[in-house]
Amino acid sequence: AQKVTQAQTEISVVEKEDVTLDCVYETRDTTYYLFWYKQPPSGELVFLIRRNSFDEQNEISGRYSWNFQKSTSSFNFTITASQVVDSAVYFCALFTYGQNFVFGPGTRLSVLP
Amino acid sequence: DTAVSQTPKYLVTQMGNDKSIKCEQNLGHDTMYWYKQDSKKFLKIMFSYNNKELIINETVPNRFSPKSPDKAHLNLHINSLELGDSAVYFCASSFPGTGGTEAFFGQGTRLTVV
Repeated sequence: AQKVTQAQTEISVVEKEDVTLDCVYETRDTTYYLFWYKQPPSGELVFLIRRNSFDEQNEISGRYSWNFQKSTSSFNFTITASQVVDSAVYFCALFTYGQNFVFGPGTRLSVLP
Repeated sequence: DTAVSQTPKYLVTQMGNDKSIKCEQNLGHDTMYWYKQDSKKFLKIMFSYNNKELIINETVPNRFSPKSPDKAHLNLHINSLELGDSAVYFCASSFPGTGGTEAFFGQGTRLTVV
């Protein structure tokens, strides 16, 4: 069965600190996709990134970076120099062709001024 | 242009009523989904549907039914609403294809059953 674990329920940091959100996934499929979504207080779900199972290259987009390691089944998300606007619930998700999208329970990030 | 739109955004209704939530996507995607987000923010898939197959999460009560008049629409009908149905419902679409794409979500419908 597919499963996504986000062990950190809530994280609080002070603005400008770096923060890493953990994501561990389980699947027996060899082809799968991993995602991160952001849900700000306004409630919408905003897509941040997609990685496929064959591409372990890490990615950086501005202050955001993602570390994908198949050996540990992890897809962690780091925000550098956090800002108050980063405060949101962040979801890691796994897509497989048999199970569609499975979401982790989310991590609530609070960035304090 | 809104990619995935849901209506209404808020829905307050009494127990026992029947209600529908509409969803439309203009992305040309072939797969649409309904998710339920509870008060603890857990996102659980209820249905996935393309023009060939409906996959139902077995935990979803049969009071919930998806209706797809065409490829761009997947409406959610709920019969005999119960207090526990109160949640935010998200519609989404994607184009799994051979490359897989992210799911694009609507803005959500907050359903309150009183």
